[in-house]
Amino acid sequence: SQTIHQWPATLVQPVGSPLSLECTVEGTSNPNLYWYRQAAGRGLQLLFYSVGIGQISSEVPQNLSASRPQDRQFILSSKKLLLSDSGFYLCAWSVTRSDQPQHFGDGTRLSIL
Amino acid sequence: EDQVTQSPEALRLQEGESSSLNCSYTVSGLRGLFWYRQDPGKGPEFLFTLYSAGEEKEKERLKATLTKKESFLHITAPKPEDSATYLCAVQEEGGSYIPTFGRGTSLIVHP
Repeated sequence: SQTIHQWPATLVQPVGSPLSLECTVEGTSNPNLYWYRQAAGRGLQLLFYSVGIGQISSEVPQNLSASRPQDRQFILSSKKLLLSDSGFYLCAWSVTRSDQPQHFGDGTRLSIL
Repeated sequence: EDQVTQSPEALRLQEGESSSLNCSYTVSGLRGLFWYRQDPGKGPEFLFTLYSAGEEKEKERLKATLTKKESFLHITAPKPEDSATYLCAVQEEGGSYIPTFGRGTSLIVHP
């Protein structure tokens, strides 16, 4: 069966510091991968998605970037965090070009001080 | 205008008091509609996929139904452990395979 791992679960960072959140998927090949941010009461905001290694699409211009160095690894990064980057970050995967649902990791709660 | 609207935003029930959550959508054609459950501090957990009007799916106390414009998540005789936020997501036919999410319904079931 497929599993998705996301870490760390919580992170407290000072303004201006760098960020690296990692997500890995097991049990499937060539998945679509996604990064979302979820604000309280505002639903899921899609940040980035990837259909293959090195292929990244950005949905929202911002202070963040994403990379996919391996088939089942997705990384969310920032060189300098802003206060507005605080939030709950979720990684998800789905079967490529399919009507199958997305499956989510357990998220990272990021607090910027 | 949101393509996916969930109502109510919040719902409080007594244990055993059945009710329904609504997800209405405005896409021109539906490829699939997904329901998720999300516990506080956790990622959404997939519940059901519905593909065509008239389709129904059940899991324990939950039943999801679909019409051409909306889906309902019926909760029968809920228990406190059913307390969670329920998210609906819609995948549009002919478009990107990325679903559009509603903002969710926060359900609290009191013992």
